[in-house]
Amino acid sequence: SQKIEQNSEALNIQEGKTATLTCNYTNYSPAYLQWYRQDPGRGPVFLLLIRENEKEKRKERLKVTFDTTLKQSLFHITASQPADSATYLCALDPMNTGFQKLVFGTGTRLLVSP
Amino acid sequence: NAGVTQTPKFQVLKTGQSMTLQCAQDMNHNSMYWYRQDPGMGLRLIYYSASEGTTDKGEVPNGYNVSRLNKREFSLRLESAAPSQTSVYFCASTNGPGTEAFFGQGTRLTVV
Repeated sequence: SQKIEQNSEALNIQEGKTATLTCNYTNYSPAYLQWYRQDPGRGPVFLLLIRENEKEKRKERLKVTFDTTLKQSLFHITASQPADSATYLCALDPMNTGFQKLVFGTGTRLLVSP
Repeated sequence: NAGVTQTPKFQVLKTGQSMTLQCAQDMNHNSMYWYRQDPGMGLRLIYYSASEGTTDKGEVPNGYNVSRLNKREFSLRLESAAPSQTSVYFCASTNGPGTEAFFGQGTRLTVV
C-alpha cells in the first residue's frame, strides 16, 4: 500500500541545535516533494519544494534533501530557535500529471527549548 | 491580498443537520481542495476541483458534496452531519503541479 511516514513522536531539541525531521514514503514515485509548517489552530504554510533531480535545497536556515533511492526526504533546521516550534508536514503528488493532488504525511511536532 | 478565506471558523452541529463550508481564493488559482485533519491521521483529501467546472472525489468523500461555484469559490456541504465528521476542515488552492498550496485558516466543526 502507499504510505507517507513521519515520526509521530515529538522531537525535542535545545535552542541552537540542528533539528532533523524525516519523511519516508512507500510505493510512490513523486517528481517532487514539499514541506509545510503548521502552527496550532492554523493552516499549513509552504516552506520548500525539492524536485527528484535535486539532491538538496536550501532556504535561509532550512535545508531539504531528497533521496529517491531510499525514498526519503530529510528536513533540517539549523541554529534552531523556540519560534521554530511547530508541526512540520511533508507532502507529495502521487499522480505526476498535469494536475496536482497533494498527499500529506501526519507530521512531526518540533519543540525547541530555550 | 487575502489568499484563501474560509467561513465559518467554528461550528457546532447536531447529528442530522446540514451545513455548507465556504471557501474563496483571490489568487486566480485553477485548482482548489478540501481536506480534513484529524489527530493522528494527518490531512486527508475529501474532494478537489482541478479547474473551474470540474470536481472529483478524494480519499474520504463519503457524506460530503462540493460545488465549484466559479474560479474563486469552492464550497463543501454536509447534507446530514454525523459525529464522525467532527474534524478541522481546510480549504486549499494551487496553480498547478510543482507549485505551493495555500491553505485557509480552517473550520473547526463539532457534530454532537
